[in-house]
Amino acid sequence: QVQLVQSGAEVKKPGASVKVSCKASGYSFTSDYMHWVRQAPGQGLEWMGIINPRDGSGSHTQKFQGRFTMTRDTSTSTVYMELRSLRSEDTAMYYCAKGEQWLVYWGQGTLVTVSS
Amino acid sequence: DIVMTQSPDSLAVSLGERATINCKSSQSVLYSSNNKNYLAWYQQKPGQPPKLLIYWASTRESGVPDRFRGSGSGTDFTLTISSLQAEDVAVYYCLQYYTTPRTFGQGTKVEV
Repeated sequence: QVQLVQSGAEVKKPGASVKVSCKASGYSFTSDYMHWVRQAPGQGLEWMGIINPRDGSGSHTQKFQGRFTMTRDTSTSTVYMELRSLRSEDTAMYYCAKGEQWLVYWGQGTLVTVSS
Repeated sequence: DIVMTQSPDSLAVSLGERATINCKSSQSVLYSSNNKNYLAWYQQKPGQPPKLLIYWASTRESGVPDRFRGSGSGTDFTLTISSLQAEDVAVYYCLQYYTTPRTFGQGTKVEV
């Protein structure tokens, strides 16, 4: 069965960076796209970006331009999301989700807390 | 970017009654070449990731009860829960996948 297992919770100081991993199993890793979505406490869902695990290409929301990077490691079937220059408003649950068009399977989420 | 606007923000429905959630996109998400609406619906319960309910605006995901029905085309869409059950208390989101960036509605909280 398809599983997306994310790395554990992180606490970071403002200005720092965070890298979240999402390990996929149960399907051919390079056959489907991966998305990143975040959700601030008590707020709605915010789509961040998409990566093609086959070639590493992708795109993301302009809002994160310059401080957001998605990468993948095909040898471990893992995708990564790195967010730099963290601010308090980046405190959120970060999800990876699989799907070429709609998002079908979701990871369990990784809570990133930005606090001084 | 396509803006997705849901209404209402919240609604309270008696058990067994109908719940109706609307989603409007700022531009059409109907792809003319295949006549498909690039619109999905999700259910999210507290402490859980979202769960896919509907894609192509009206196709239920496997295992989703048939009391959930998606309808609409172009820019106006509706999610209907025909007979609300206690387990349906959640926040519901629409998502357009017509273009990147994907965009979600702000969510509709359904309570009993």
